[in-house]
Amino acid sequence: NAGVTQTPKFRILKIGQSMTLQCTQDMNHNYMYWYRQDPGMGLKLIYYSVGAGITDKGEVPNGYNVSRSTTEDFPLRLELAAPSQTSVYFCASREGGGERYSNQPQHFGDGTRLSIL
Amino acid sequence: GEDVEQSLFLSVREGDSSVINCTYTDSSSTYLYWYKQEPGAGLQLLTYIFSNMDMKQDQRLTVLLNKKDKHLSLRIADTQTGDSAIYFCAVKRSGSARQLTFGSGTQLTVLP
Repeated sequence: NAGVTQTPKFRILKIGQSMTLQCTQDMNHNYMYWYRQDPGMGLKLIYYSVGAGITDKGEVPNGYNVSRSTTEDFPLRLELAAPSQTSVYFCASREGGGERYSNQPQHFGDGTRLSIL
Repeated sequence: GEDVEQSLFLSVREGDSSVINCTYTDSSSTYLYWYKQEPGAGLQLLTYIFSNMDMKQDQRLTVLLNKKDKHLSLRIADTQTGDSAIYFCAVKRSGSARQLTFGSGTQLTVLP
């Protein structure tokens, strides 16, 4: 009963390095999301996807890229890490595909805590 | 766009009731959610309410919605130390795949 799995749980990067945050879900959910959570703030949407091969920008996409080659996986890439990207990153998924799924909640992973030094 | 606001902190005594409040701006919000986040963990859905409802009760949890004032509250009866966590209000607009707009979260501390 894995749900949404994020790896790694923690990471420290140097400025300018790149990395990929992994997210996979085993619930066959169409919709997947990446959020960042800064201290004392709510979650801000970075990117989302409504199905394999389809991605779209959220509120704060700058400095990030995503891909969705399979239903299960939705990796988030940081190409040139900056201190402003120090945050906790959450991946989420939900059933989707029409208004009848509108009330379906998002299921969250446990997060990746990323520090850029 | 949507704006969702919550107070940052709430402290209560064990056994008392907790009331966490949330206000939002978009009157077309259709589903309103409460999530709980424990330290070092992701967000866990507690409950949600559809915009055509005024109240929803689920064991110790009661959600009240005042659509006129765009005000949502979560009441936790008989609050326990295990209820200490951050509680997020989130709202959704109909037909939006981008879905949820989150409040900043309320840190609930339960004192023995």
